[in-house]
Amino acid sequence: QVQLQESGPGLVEPSGTLSLICTVSGDSLSSRQWWSWIRQPPGKGLEWIGEVYHSGSASGSATYNPSLRSRVTISIDEPKNRFSLRVTSVTAADTAVYYCARNKDWGFDPWGQGTLVTVSS
Amino acid sequence: QSALTQPASVSGSPGQSITISCTATSSDFGGYNYVSWYQHQPGKAPKLIISEVSNRPSGVSNRFSGSKSGNTASLTISGLQDEDEADYFCSSHISSSTLYVFGTGTKVTVL
Repeated sequence: QVQLQESGPGLVEPSGTLSLICTVSGDSLSSRQWWSWIRQPPGKGLEWIGEVYHSGSASGSATYNPSLRSRVTISIDEPKNRFSLRVTSVTAADTAVYYCARNKDWGFDPWGQGTLVTVSS
Repeated sequence: QSALTQPASVSGSPGQSITISCTATSSDFGGYNYVSWYQHQPGKAPKLIISEVSNRPSGVSNRFSGSKSGNTASLTISGLQDEDEADYFCSSHISSSTLYVFGTGTKVTVL
């Protein structure tokens, strides 16, 4: 059974960097699949952040939502079977529940439970 | 990017059938069949219940079915049960811009 678990700080200061890790069990990040980050601000809808693929390069090959591309980096840590998310220059608008998920059949399955990140001083 | 529009809430009695719509501009769906549906219950991870418009993953109840007509995709839940009470949302892959968009979400209440 494939499981994903998000981890990282729940509080980030404005203008700082948000960093999260998604640890995968039951599947390998080198299995030539895409892996995504998705977020949901409080009271709002879901937003796809981006995806990463184990292309053979050290950190993988990533694709990003154009609205976030300038501030986001998603990379793969194959030896530890996990992938990460970095969002720079965060503001209150980045406060959200962040999910990681495996891409499957042009959708996402499975998802992690999600982790709330609050941007506040 | 534009969101996919869903009704905020849909309700039904046990045993009834309900349908949730997911409407987009033509550029979001295009000619591709990349619409997925998810069930999200409080405290749980979202669960894929329909992929590629109408495919049901292994283990998903056959009471869930999906379809698409023009710019509107639909999820039908037949024989509504108490355990179906949850938030449901759709998503679509947009090949032209290599990204995914999500629906606004629908809260299903079993009366």
